[in-house]
Amino acid sequence: NAGVTQTPKFQVLKTGQSMTLQCAQDMNHEYMSWYRQDPGMGLRLIHYSVGAGITDQGEVPNGYNVSRSTTEDFPLRLLSAAPSQTSVYFCASTRTGTDGYTFGSGTRLTVV
Amino acid sequence: AQKVTQAQTEISVVEKEDVTLDCVYETRDTTYYLFWYKQPPSGELVFLIRRNSFDEQNEISGRYSWNFQKSTSSFNFTITASQVVDSAVYFCALSSPFPYTGANSKLTFGKGITLSVRP
Repeated sequence: NAGVTQTPKFQVLKTGQSMTLQCAQDMNHEYMSWYRQDPGMGLRLIHYSVGAGITDQGEVPNGYNVSRSTTEDFPLRLLSAAPSQTSVYFCASTRTGTDGYTFGSGTRLTVV
Repeated sequence: AQKVTQAQTEISVVEKEDVTLDCVYETRDTTYYLFWYKQPPSGELVFLIRRNSFDEQNEISGRYSWNFQKSTSSFNFTITASQVVDSAVYFCALSSPFPYTGANSKLTFGKGITLSVRP
């Protein structure tokens, strides 16, 4: 049972490039979210999904896109990378929310 | 809007000392859940505890204990006889209902407390 799998673990992008951070879970969880973690800021919600086909914006959505075509996958797309998007990104999932989220191991992204 | 405040940013203790990490939250919801997560130097986020808004009983798990007080909107975490392996960043979080379903599913995090335990 893999839990929540994020790829890649590390990535360096040039300003203006686009890329997709992958997230997959094998627990049949309906709820999935993307967070970014920056020093002194805690974790901030980027986008979330309450089921396949349903997504919505979180606290810091600008510059990111998501889609949820299957229950298992919730990719995060950076449209045109900017240095301000240098961060550690966490994907998380939960069955009901009241159980607590299971987090992936994170993706450390650097935009130069 | 929901808010979680962890006023302490960094705490340093000597091994075997007791340490309390404070968490104050704000919400208008009557049903909500509170969580603590640990982030060790390796970077992963580890779930420690969940408490719902209707259960104010304190909880103890080994050297860890949690004190939930609705009257002061606080959910504090105490580590007894701290150890070097407790060194980590600790996050308090509050779940609030998603707009679509009303389920308690959207987590709001505090900024975290960096705990250093010295030998």
